[in-house]
Amino acid sequence: ETGVTQSPTHLIKTRGQQVTLRCSSQSGHNTVSWYQQALGQGPQFIFQYYREEENGRGNFPPRFSGLQFPNYSSELNVNALELDDSALYLCASSPTSGRNTGELFFGEGSRLTVL
Amino acid sequence: KNQVEQSPQSLIILEGKNCTLQCNYTVSPFSNLRWYKQDTGRGPVSLTIMTFSENTKSNGRYTATLDADTKQSSLHITASQLSDSASYICVVSGAGNNRKLIWGLGTSLAVNP
Repeated sequence: ETGVTQSPTHLIKTRGQQVTLRCSSQSGHNTVSWYQQALGQGPQFIFQYYREEENGRGNFPPRFSGLQFPNYSSELNVNALELDDSALYLCASSPTSGRNTGELFFGEGSRLTVL
Repeated sequence: KNQVEQSPQSLIILEGKNCTLQCNYTVSPFSNLRWYKQDTGRGPVSLTIMTFSENTKSNGRYTATLDADTKQSSLHITASQLSDSASYICVVSGAGNNRKLIWGLGTSLAVNP
């Protein structure tokens, strides 16, 4: 157990809809990163939040957005869903800022299927 | 170009046997190298993190080695168990103005009885 919880664990949406995924970070961790992992592929970095501000972003369009709250929990929002958005979405928390300074503790992921 | 290459892509071994997974990288400057274990459909779990000054690090039956000069790492699994069946992913952290995580594609390990 990493202490990182994600919800929902599974969900099904249709093209064009919007989705919100949630993540509670491990106690004491102020940094949250989100990853997209398509079937059979490695995780792809979406963005990172540090103390409620976006602190780095991967190659994802603006319809992927996020929030971090004062308690360091986080949300990933995806608008105008496309079929290719079907993936496992992973949240990882770490105790320090920067994408390479802290050890990452992953949640179990949210499996999104877009029909 | 920042790259992390893992081999083999997949591996099948019998329970109780040992195996070694390889990771070569071209990330520079280098900060640290991590090995993760990922069960199918679940989040990755960290096995080891090594900086350039560390040559070897163990976590139970898992032993990682790092040669920062040749930019190579290996993950050795001793006395494999059925629960070791998973994907093993090598991740390299850059440093300085190259501060990002570069993920390998992983090695899929199947341990058969």
